[in-house]
Amino acid sequence: GAGVSQSPSNKVTEKGKDVELRCDPISGHTALYWYRQSLGQGLEFLIYFQGNSAPDKSGLPSDRFSAERTGGSVSTLTIQRTQQEDSAVYLCASSPVTTDTQYFGPGTRLTVL
Amino acid sequence: KNEVEQSPQNLTAQEGEFITINCSYSVGISALHWLQQHPGGGIVSLFMLSSGKKKHGRLIATINIQEKHSSLHITASHPRDSAVYICAVRSYIIQGAQKLVFGQGTRLTINP
Repeated sequence: GAGVSQSPSNKVTEKGKDVELRCDPISGHTALYWYRQSLGQGLEFLIYFQGNSAPDKSGLPSDRFSAERTGGSVSTLTIQRTQQEDSAVYLCASSPVTTDTQYFGPGTRLTVL
Repeated sequence: KNEVEQSPQNLTAQEGEFITINCSYSVGISALHWLQQHPGGGIVSLFMLSSGKKKHGRLIATINIQEKHSSLHITASHPRDSAVYICAVRSYIIQGAQKLVFGQGTRLTINP
């Protein structure tokens, strides 16, 4: 079946612009996670959803970052007023429940000029 | 100190060698994951374990909860095993227990 998909695969934007990143999880997966991987750095947790709610927002780096999930499916991660330090690969993962193996999408490479 | 430490950071070996990558963590956990990230960037979950040992093909993962340590072994290594291997823990002590905390990864290169 289809895996986790993310769009766009690449995004280049100018500093100060807003961007929206999209994640389509595997159908039926109730848990959805956002991570980012900066150049040369390890993976960093951003936020997770259980259904449409986000019980843990502790990983969001600043109030410029927000995320939502609608219909227990698609999620969007929005970064407002992008900064150069936001440049990274943003990864989405989903799992049937929070205690299960996570399936990762291919990521969105964001470059802020 | 990072909550999850991996060693070595880089490992180069010849095809056929037995490979061991180590992961130590400093918090109580509910599960530990081993992930593989190929040069193209895609991440694949290899194992999720909370006790004992799991085997899949040439890959074996073990965990010792008392010692807060896990190992990933690759038998009869092959150049296609070249990737970054990442250890991640799901902790019930770190705020937000359903997130994963990641190690920095081990870059493995297997030469023909």
